[in-house]
Order: sequence, then structure tokens, then C-alpha cells
Amino acid sequence: QVQLQESGPGLAKPSETLSLTCTVSGGSIISSFYWGWVRQAPGKALEWIATIHSGGTTYFNPSLKSRVTLSIDTSKNQFSLKLRSVTAADTAVYHCARHRAVTAGHYNWFDPWGQGTPVIVSS
Amino acid sequence: DIQMTQSPPSLSASVRDRVVITCRASQTISTNLNWYHHKPGKAPRLLIYGASSLQNGVPSRFSGSGSGTDFTLTITSLQPEDFGIYFCQQSHTSPWTFGQGTKVEI
Repeated sequence: QVQLQESGPGLAKPSETLSLTCTVSGGSIISSFYWGWVRQAPGKALEWIATIHSGGTTYFNPSLKSRVTLSIDTSKNQFSLKLRSVTAADTAVYHCARHRAVTAGHYNWFDPWGQGTPVIVSS
Repeated sequence: DIQMTQSPPSLSASVRDRVVITCRASQTISTNLNWYHHKPGKAPRLLIYGASSLQNGVPSRFSGSGSGTDFTLTITSLQPEDFGIYFCQQSHTSPWTFGQGTKVEI
């Protein structure tokens, strides 16, 4: 059974780069699936950030694309998110999840998910 | 972006109650709609995909329906473990967007 676990600092300063890693266990990150990041700011809806395939192809939410970098380390079964120039608006719980498909349709869903890691942006 | 609006924002129900949660899309999304359940401190879980298909391992008391812009998630007999937040996600047009969630209290 595939499980995902986020890790990273819980605190970031404004203008810095936030770095988060998701470790996949119980299965290989090299597969037909994709791997994504979703966040939820306090009082707001979940927001899809970006998705990566083990082959390196990436997909981004246009609202965040200019500040996001995704990478994948198949030797460690991990994928990572870097979010540049953070502000208080980036304070959120960040989840990683397996993204079944990235094209529109019935198989574009996220499952399983990690529990999420809270990130606070504050000086 | 497609906006997803859920109602009600929260509800209180008793064990064995029938619960209905609705999700409305700001434009037609066919049946490209997924439902999830999230308990505090745990990982969200996919319940329904394609508006009405039950994900493997999800109890049959959960069901989904709808197409176009209006969708419902029904729990036929609420169980104690069903508390938490339910949210919808459209898979019709990128960026993939989510509803604000419905908090179910028992």
C-alpha cells in the first residue's frame, strides 16, 4: 500500500524559498502515475500547486508557476517542491499526493495523500 | 478557473442519518468530479471519482451523483467514523480546483 509523507521546515521567512520533500513508501515512484502537491491556506479551499511525472514532465497551476520548481529523485523515491519568494499568503498546510492522471477526465484524482505539513511564513 | 461551491458549509447529524452534500461548478464539467473525506490530522481519502464511481475499499454507504454543474454526495447511514470534512474537486479543466469543504459533525 503506497504511503506518502511530507517533510520540511515548518517556518519560513518572507522572501525566502520554501523547500518541501515527499517520501513515497510501499511502491515505486517510477510508475505510470504522477505526483502532486496541494495546499490549504487557513479558511480557504484546497489549491493544486503542481504535479510531476517520474520522467520529469511537470504541470503547474498558472497562479504559482512563476515561483515553483518541482524535482524528483527516483533513487530515494522522493519528489520535492521549491516555492520562491514566499509571503504570508503562502502560509498553509502542504500535502503531497499521487496524481492518477493529469489529463481532463474521470481518472484525474489524487490518492493517496500525505497527512500534510504546516508551513508558516513569518519574520 | 472553475469555481467549486459546496453546501452546506457544515452540518450536524446523528449516527444512521442520511446525509447529502452538494457541490456546484461555475461552468459545466460533465461528470469530471471527485469527492474526498478528510479527518483532522489524517490524510485525505478519495471516495468517489467520475461523479459516481466508488473508489476501491470505500464503503457502499457512500454514493455520488450529478452531471453538468450540480453534484451530490450521499451517505445513506452515517457512521461515527464519517465525521470530518468532505470536499469536491473538478477534473475537467486545469487548474484542478476544489470546493471549500463541508464539515460533518456527529
